[in-house]
Amino acid sequence: DTEVTQTPKHLVMGMTNKKSLKCEQHMGHRAMYWYKQKAKKPPELMFVYSYEKLSINESVPSRFSPECPNSSLLNLHLHALQPEDSALYLCASSPLGGANTGELFFGEGSRLTVL
Amino acid sequence: QKEVEQNSGPLSVPEGAIASLNCTYSDRGSQSFFWYRQYSGKSPELIMSIYSNGDKEDGRFTAQLNKASQYVSLLIRDSQPSDSATYLCAANQGGKLIFGQGTELSVKP
Repeated sequence: DTEVTQTPKHLVMGMTNKKSLKCEQHMGHRAMYWYKQKAKKPPELMFVYSYEKLSINESVPSRFSPECPNSSLLNLHLHALQPEDSALYLCASSPLGGANTGELFFGEGSRLTVL
Repeated sequence: QKEVEQNSGPLSVPEGAIASLNCTYSDRGSQSFFWYRQYSGKSPELIMSIYSNGDKEDGRFTAQLNKASQYVSLLIRDSQPSDSATYLCAANQGGKLIFGQGTELSVKP
C-alpha cells in the first residue's frame, strides 16, 4: 500500500463553520505535511510533523489548526476561514531524515471552497 | 526565503522530440533536488530525485545537476502527449521542500 488517502475530496464551508480535513498513510513514513495550492501556483508548505511532533509551522494563521494523533494520521482543523483560503489542500508523507526529505508522496488533495 | 526558479512556459514540443526543462536555485546549501509532475487537477507525483553533480537517467527521463552553476534540468526523450503536464522543480532547503513555479509542458501529436 503506497497511498496517501485524503478525505473529503471536496468541501464547501461557510466562514463560520468548523470542519476538518483528514489524511492517512500506511507507508511507515514518520514525516507528514500539509501544503496549500492555489490554481497555477506551486504547492506552498503550511506544516510539517516529524515523529508526530509539529516541527515546522510556516506562520500559518491560527484558523488552521493541525493535529497528528498518531504516525499514520494527520488532520487539519478549519475554523472561521476566509474566501481567500479556498484552495487545494495537499497532504504528503515522506521518509524522515537526510536527503530523502523531499521525496514526498502526495494524497489526491481536498478541494476547499469557502463561501 | 531562498528561491527556486523555473520558466513558467508553456513549453510546446512535438511528439517524439526531447523536452528540456530548466531550474535554478539560489541557496548554495541545498543538497537534494527533485522533479515532480502534476497533471491538471491532480496532485504532484515525484518522478526524479538527484543528489550528486552529473546526470541521472530513469527510462526516458534524465535529471542533470550542476551545483557550481546552481542549475538543475530535466530532459524527457521521445516525448509523448501523455507527458503533457506541469513539471515542478524542488530543492530541499533546511528540511523544507521549496518548489519552483512549475513549467507547463505541452506535447503535440
